[in-house]
Amino acid sequence: EDKVVQSPLSLVVHEGDTVTLNCSYEVTNFRSLLWYKQEKKAPTFLFMLTSSGIEKKSGRLSSILDKKELFSILNITATQTGDSAVYLCAVEAPGGSEKLVFGKGTKLTVNP
Amino acid sequence: GAVVSQHPSRVICKSGTSVKIECRSLDFQATTMFWYRQFPKQSLMLMATSNEGSKATYEQGVEKDKFLINHASLTLSTLTVTSAHPEDSSFYICSARGERWANEQFFGPGTRLTVL
Repeated sequence: EDKVVQSPLSLVVHEGDTVTLNCSYEVTNFRSLLWYKQEKKAPTFLFMLTSSGIEKKSGRLSSILDKKELFSILNITATQTGDSAVYLCAVEAPGGSEKLVFGKGTKLTVNP
Repeated sequence: GAVVSQHPSRVICKSGTSVKIECRSLDFQATTMFWYRQFPKQSLMLMATSNEGSKATYEQGVEKDKFLINHASLTLSTLTVTSAHPEDSSFYICSARGERWANEQFFGPGTRLTVL
């Protein structure tokens, strides 16, 4: 059974701190790994990773994938209160439907 | 990016009634739409996948007779929760994907269903 495990489940930091969120997975026929940010409503897309070792960066956020060790990390530097959200990791595993398997998420709280 | 809408955003209904939720891709043709359910403090759980013009594929444990999915056009999919019960209260989110956006999934804003 396909599985995605995120850690930690929750994290509380102060503004300006750097955080690292972890995602490990076990899927058959891996296709891509995606990171989403979910605030009150629907998840918003952050990154899609398909190749090992290539860092993707967007402002203060960056992410990298290790396909050998089956995990990915999401880094956020100089955190701001607006970064407070649940960060979801999902793995796409083709099986006719290209469905996404989600982890339980990491709830990040950034205090001023 | 692409825009996906859901309607209604919130619905409260009595036990035993049926509720229909719409998911629309506003600026692209969605060849595939996905329906997820999210309980409080839990992750998104895929309920079913629907392809335009064909029957939906349900995930294990999801009752197809209770959660009716129709994907009648390339821009609209509907989820009908039939004979709703309080345990069906949840946040329902759809996502859509189409060839125009390299098959990336775009999520709707979700529908909060409360069954009294």
